Amino acid sequence: QVQLQQWGAGLLEPSETLSLTCAVYGGSFGNNYWGWIRQPPGKALEWIGEINRSGITNQNPSLKGRVAILTDTSKSQFSLRLSSVTAADTAIYYCARAVWQRSPPNYFDYYMDVWGRGTTVTVPS
Amino acid sequence: SSELTQDPAVSVAVGQTVRITCQGDSLRNYHATWYHQRPGQAPILVLYGKSDRPSGIPDRFSGSTSGNTASLTIAGAQAEDEGDYYCGSRDSGANLGVFGTGTKVTVL
Repeated sequence: QVQLQQWGAGLLEPSETLSLTCAVYGGSFGNNYWGWIRQPPGKALEWIGEINRSGITNQNPSLKGRVAILTDTSKSQFSLRLSSVTAADTAIYYCARAVWQRSPPNYFDYYMDVWGRGTTVTVPS
Repeated sequence: SSELTQDPAVSVAVGQTVRITCQGDSLRNYHATWYHQRPGQAPILVLYGKSDRPSGIPDRFSGSTSGNTASLTIAGAQAEDEGDYYCGSRDSGANLGVFGTGTKVTVL
């Protein structure tokens, strides 16, 4: 059974770069995408971006190019970098495995079936 | 548009049935996914695909879709079903994942 363990700095100063890593245990990168999601205090989930084992990434344009998602397949790890953080980036950050597949005849499926426990990141204002 | 809209809150008595809806254009191409989040915990997947449940999710959870609206039904709600529920999908035009605004379910 795949499990995700994540870690990274929890307190940053404005303008610093957030750096989080997520390790995949109990399985390989396979044909999945590996994603990052965040949740500001008291607010809804926000999709940040994803990467697959080939290094193909997709990112939320709302983060205005501040995001970098990397993968180290030799270690079964993927990472999130978010530059120039502000207080608005204060949130719980989750890593997750994303399944993206066709659902014949006319639909697709996209869902996160395995989640990390979350890392609280605080940026003072 | 990549927005998924949910009702902010619903309540249900123990043993009764409650339905949560999620509305958005992406649901015309993608099946809605449903996540349950208890306070202080990570979300867990409860429904995906047409109406598929991961291992360990009780069969009182079911889903359906009509046009751009998806529904999650909890038949015979239990106290442990309380929490926030988020729908999810993908915006194929913008090529990004999307989550709903969330629904807080209170089991009375």
